[in-house]
Amino acid sequence: SAVISQKPSRDICQRGTSLTIQCQVDSQVTMMFWYRQQPGQSLTLIATANQGSEATYESGFVIDKFPISRPNLTFSTLTVSNLSPEDSSIYLCSVQKDAQLVSYEQYFGPGTRLTVT
Amino acid sequence: QKEVEQNSGPLSVPEGAIASLNCTYSDRVSQSFFWYRQYSGKSPELIMSIYSNGDKEDGRFTAQLNKASQYVSLLIRDSQPSDSATYLCAVNKGGDDKVIFGPGTSLSVIP
Repeated sequence: SAVISQKPSRDICQRGTSLTIQCQVDSQVTMMFWYRQQPGQSLTLIATANQGSEATYESGFVIDKFPISRPNLTFSTLTVSNLSPEDSSIYLCSVQKDAQLVSYEQYFGPGTRLTVT
Repeated sequence: QKEVEQNSGPLSVPEGAIASLNCTYSDRVSQSFFWYRQYSGKSPELIMSIYSNGDKEDGRFTAQLNKASQYVSLLIRDSQPSDSATYLCAVNKGGDDKVIFGPGTSLSVIP
């Protein structure tokens, strides 16, 4: 597995502002992902964070709203922009360590709980 | 049809019983299958991976895969109150690095 940390663990933000979430892994990983988990719901993939290139976004998620950076193989950030109450959710980063992409096992960070007022 | 489906529960079993959690998936080319456990307020934790038809056992957990029926299950033997959590089934389609998560089944083990 991997040791994954996220900052902040929680935040309360005003609508119209932005929050940047950091994800740090203790070792180099091939793939990093960002998920959203709304209250009582399952996980929804926002995007794949690609090292050295633009993130790959899922349907319904756009770069202007969720800009992502991945400057190296151990770190990524997700920004949630122009916040509205509907953005209140838990945001999770996950990693795949398998360089051969054979197992596709993903390991999750502890999550960031965002509340927008 | 959703890509990954699970009974939402809640599923209640008495302590010591076998808990059976079921999952179906829609894409026949799926190749990798996972079970995650998520305690309330925590992030998902990978507990089982299975790639071939049949059973895979790990301690009190057994994952079962039937690709012909597009069905994967998780059995928890000798259920404990500490097993009370939401269990997420996840599927990778192969040729794609993404994993699709089901809605989860809430399990409650009653002492």
